[in-house]
Amino acid sequence: KNEVEQSPQNLTAQEGEFITINCSYSVGISALHWLQQHPGGGIVSLFMLSSGKKKHGRLIATINIQEKHSSLHITASHPRDSAVYICAVRYIFGNQFYFGTGTSLTVIP
Amino acid sequence: DSGVTQTPKHLITATGQRVTLRCSPRSGDLSVYWYQQSLDQGLQFLIQYYNGEERAKGNILERFSAQQFPDLHSELNLSSLELGDSALYFCASSGLAGPTDTQYFGPGTRLTVL
Repeated sequence: KNEVEQSPQNLTAQEGEFITINCSYSVGISALHWLQQHPGGGIVSLFMLSSGKKKHGRLIATINIQEKHSSLHITASHPRDSAVYICAVRYIFGNQFYFGTGTSLTVIP
Repeated sequence: DSGVTQTPKHLITATGQRVTLRCSPRSGDLSVYWYQQSLDQGLQFLIQYYNGEERAKGNILERFSAQQFPDLHSELNLSSLELGDSALYFCASSGLAGPTDTQYFGPGTRLTVL
């Protein structure tokens, strides 16, 4: 059973649309990371969250520790945002990382 | 370019063989992480080293071992290879060992076991 649930699995959007990707987890965490994996395979860390909200350009990430839920928002989506977005959590106990299965986003011009 | 280098880029080998994957972290980073990404299992955390010491252990098989050397580069050794070990292996580095540190990922090594 995957400890980290992501939704949706696949997402197709028109350029300019507002996009939301969700991540939920089951136990206490020390941090949650949002990663972007490009079609070529490279992985980039977008955000690290332990509480609240962070913004970088058109990307916004929020986390609700009580509800064990995080969201990644992309405003004014663009075809270059097409990638797989992966949520990763580090649990307090055991110090291990667990990954969601990823959300494959395609933005159509 | 993240500043993390991994070699080789591609590796094709046979079942039963042993291979070594190498990772050089960003200049100044003390932590190295190893991850495996396969089609059926997705991304999995294998192991973390911090300044030469093992810091956290994930789903690393007994056939796999890793170490971090005094110059901070790291090697992941995979032995008695099986078809199911075919995957992308990523290394990442961060400045310290904390859970809130940003990780910088290398380009990965694609291992194919025939």
